[in-house]
Amino acid sequence: DSGVTQTPKHLITATGQRVTLRCSPRSGDLSVYWYQQSLDQGLQFLIQYYNGEERAKGNILERFSAQQFPDLHSELNLSSLELGDSALYFCASSVGGVSTEAFFGQGTRLTVV
Amino acid sequence: QKEVEQDPGPLSVPEGAIVSLNCTYSNSAFQYFMWYRQYSRKGPELLMYTYSSGNKEDGRFTAQVDKSSKYISLFIRDSQPSDSATYLCAMSGRNAGNMLTFGGGTRLMVKP
Repeated sequence: DSGVTQTPKHLITATGQRVTLRCSPRSGDLSVYWYQQSLDQGLQFLIQYYNGEERAKGNILERFSAQQFPDLHSELNLSSLELGDSALYFCASSVGGVSTEAFFGQGTRLTVV
Repeated sequence: QKEVEQDPGPLSVPEGAIVSLNCTYSNSAFQYFMWYRQYSRKGPELLMYTYSSGNKEDGRFTAQVDKSSKYISLFIRDSQPSDSATYLCAMSGRNAGNMLTFGGGTRLMVKP
């Protein structure tokens, strides 16, 4: 167990809908990272928050957004969902702002039908 | 061309074999090199972390980084069936956005 908690584990929703994925980082970790893993694209970095502020942005679609709350948990919001958004979404956390020793959660499997 | 290339495998070896997993990369700004192990339907688990060039050993695992060749390796000695998983290399650097850039992963199967 990495100490990073993601909910829900599985999510099935229809195209056009909006979902929220939640992540609780390890105790003491200030950085949260979101990744998307699909069969064709592999593990892709989406966005990083450090102590409540956006630190880095990767290949995140405009339909997606995230935030980190004062208690350091983070949420990833996915809207206007398309079939191609079906993937595993991982959250990772690290102590500092550099992702050298990031620990991953178990992921949320999103299926868009 | 992807920044980090990794042979997808699958790589099938008998129990007890020495396994060699490799990644090549193109971004010379990468300074930190990681190997993650991912079991099916689970999150990636950090195995090894190396800064810059050199070797690092941890039990049956040895990580090597050759920055001049932009080539990293993970060796697994005395491989076990429990080592069967997908191995992902990942890299980051202060001048490369600090984010982890992953290879596509190599699927390893260790047969009893």
